[in-house]
Amino acid sequence: DADVTQTPRNRITKTGKRIMLECSQTKGHDRMYWYRQDPGLGLRLIYYSFDVKDINKGEISDGYSVSRQAQAKFSLSLESAIPNQTALYFCATSDSPGTGDYGYTFGSGTRLTVV
Amino acid sequence: AQKITQTQPGMFVQEKEAVTLDCTYDTSDPSYGLFWYKQPSSGEMIFLIYQGSYDQQNATEGRYSLNFQKARKSANLVISASQLGDSAMYFCAMREGDSNYQLIWGAGTKLIIKP
Repeated sequence: DADVTQTPRNRITKTGKRIMLECSQTKGHDRMYWYRQDPGLGLRLIYYSFDVKDINKGEISDGYSVSRQAQAKFSLSLESAIPNQTALYFCATSDSPGTGDYGYTFGSGTRLTVV
Repeated sequence: AQKITQTQPGMFVQEKEAVTLDCTYDTSDPSYGLFWYKQPSSGEMIFLIYQGSYDQQNATEGRYSLNFQKARKSANLVISASQLGDSAMYFCAMREGDSNYQLIWGAGTKLIIKP
């Protein structure tokens, strides 16, 4: 099994619908992130969480919400999807500072299309 | 101002040649980390190499090495003996500070290896 699993892999939804993207990890990392990638651009941070009770907005949080159900689970919701939210969404994890593990582990991505 | 700049939108390289992908960064924090990721056409984000700002030596991982020139604020990725499977998007990213959470991403370079 992958260290970071995202579901679904692909999703087409209609404008105005609520949609949830799910992420689970087996890395045991405290920190989890949701990023968005648009064509020709790098990733932009939507939300991040340092633990179950610590959730923070990133660069582009408008129109999104998140839930950290457990250390291993971090879901992203689009309350009312709009076409410009069509993008590739990544979940990522990282260990806490001081552990010596600097890596960020990414899921395989969810390709979301809003029509 | 851009924090991470990748000046090469696309590159063509002959198979078996070495290739250098450019990345310059901008930060005033003395502690930072630099990452390179590979994104093949399938979309997943694959970690390649990491360089810490205090690391005395350039990072190497197999065929990947990072040409870290701190005074110039550059962190170029060098791929030796390129292979067809190296064709992908390559992203440079930076984490500022020891405890910071966010990766700041460049726009990427599309590398195509010619047979």
